[in-house]
Amino acid sequence: ETGVTQSPTHLIKTRGQQVTLRCSSQSGHNTVSWYQQALGQGPQFIFQYYREEENGRGNFPPRFSGLQFPNYSSELNVNALELDDSALYLCASTPTPDRAAFFGQGTRLTVV
Amino acid sequence: GIQVEQSPPDLILQEGANSTLRCNFSDSVNNLQWFHQNPWGQLINLFYIPSGTKQNGRLSATTVATERYSLLYISSSQTTDSGVYFCAVEGSERQLTFGSGTQLTVLP
Repeated sequence: ETGVTQSPTHLIKTRGQQVTLRCSSQSGHNTVSWYQQALGQGPQFIFQYYREEENGRGNFPPRFSGLQFPNYSSELNVNALELDDSALYLCASTPTPDRAAFFGQGTRLTVV
Repeated sequence: GIQVEQSPPDLILQEGANSTLRCNFSDSVNNLQWFHQNPWGQLINLFYIPSGTKQNGRLSATTVATERYSLLYISSSQTTDSGVYFCAVEGSERQLTFGSGTQLTVLP
């Protein structure tokens, strides 16, 4: 059974650019959620995908968007990057939306 | 939305000591998890415990859902237990809401 994997592990982007982060969910898990963790804080929910449909969204602007593919892998896209988008982005998968979440190692995004 | 408070925010222990971390939440929950965040940022599952008591080696957790709190016990702490411990809950919305964490430092 493979765990949750994210790519890339680190990324540096310039303000105004766009970025795509990727997540492969754990085998057998059809639900993927994305979280943003700023330094020194707890993770904040961005959105969740269940069977390729958005299944909930946190308090993030529309320039944060996502996709889930038929194999349940997922992408997080952020447009018009701002300095405050610098954070650790975490992906979590669950077998169904109401079960325990398992997290990947995260992507550390730095916007300069 | 649901509020999650963790205490204490920081804890320093000598190796071998025991500790209790607390998580209070403001509403009924469907899901409660405890995580340990390692120095590289990954959240490691410790317990999925919406109610009741569970034990895993030196760690155990208890959630009293009717009183809206959960406790994480660490016995005979080791330096490798150092890191940030998060409690996260899922209420009526499809999202985990995290507390601000407890930074644990275990000294040799």
